[in-house]
Amino acid sequence: GDSVTQMEGPVTLSEEAFLTINCTYTATGYPSLFWYVQYPGEGLQLLLKATKADDKGSNKGFEATYRKETTSFHLEKGSVQVSDSAVYFCALSDWRGGSNYKLTFGKGTLLTVNP
Amino acid sequence: GAGVSQTPSNKVTEKGKYVELRCDPISGHTALYWYRQSLGQGPEFLIYFQGTGAADDSGLPNDRFFAVRPEGSVSTLKIQRTERGDSAVYLCASSRRGQVDTDTQYFGPGTRLTVL
Repeated sequence: GDSVTQMEGPVTLSEEAFLTINCTYTATGYPSLFWYVQYPGEGLQLLLKATKADDKGSNKGFEATYRKETTSFHLEKGSVQVSDSAVYFCALSDWRGGSNYKLTFGKGTLLTVNP
Repeated sequence: GAGVSQTPSNKVTEKGKYVELRCDPISGHTALYWYRQSLGQGPEFLIYFQGTGAADDSGLPNDRFFAVRPEGSVSTLKIQRTERGDSAVYLCASSRRGQVDTDTQYFGPGTRLTVL
């Protein structure tokens, strides 16, 4: 079945450091890929997405590129802020069988950014 | 407008009891989803409603779990004979139609269920 593997946390960085959170996936079809973020005390929010190979999703300074050859969708940000402290989830949705409404999530990565 | 709301925010119950968890989706959203998030895990899909009907309930773990959406808006997740392994955060999400690559799923804050 479909699955998402993301790097285990927690990740602790200083403000203005470069961030990478690795995400790889397994899917039999051609999935759409997503990053969701959960800030403390809030619900999951869509951060960015990419729906086909080589697409780059971007939002709030975060970027991720859909790499079909390496089945990866790594999240990056050039300069993190304290306000980026949150749990980040990589997810996919697979068109196979018409289930393009269902999200399959990774385990999440806790990011803490210190001033 | 208001986002997705869930009540209660916390529910503590005893093993064997019956619980109901409520989800109020964003107004006008025809698609509604339930997910379950166990400690240290990502959310796992439970069920998807399109309007009043359950289009996919393949994620419900067993027949103790049931969900309804009788008027196409509010949904209730019902768990009978609760077990300690049911303890988790139950998340509800809604979207305008249902195709996740074109149609963002908006999540509620969740209900934390603890079964003693």
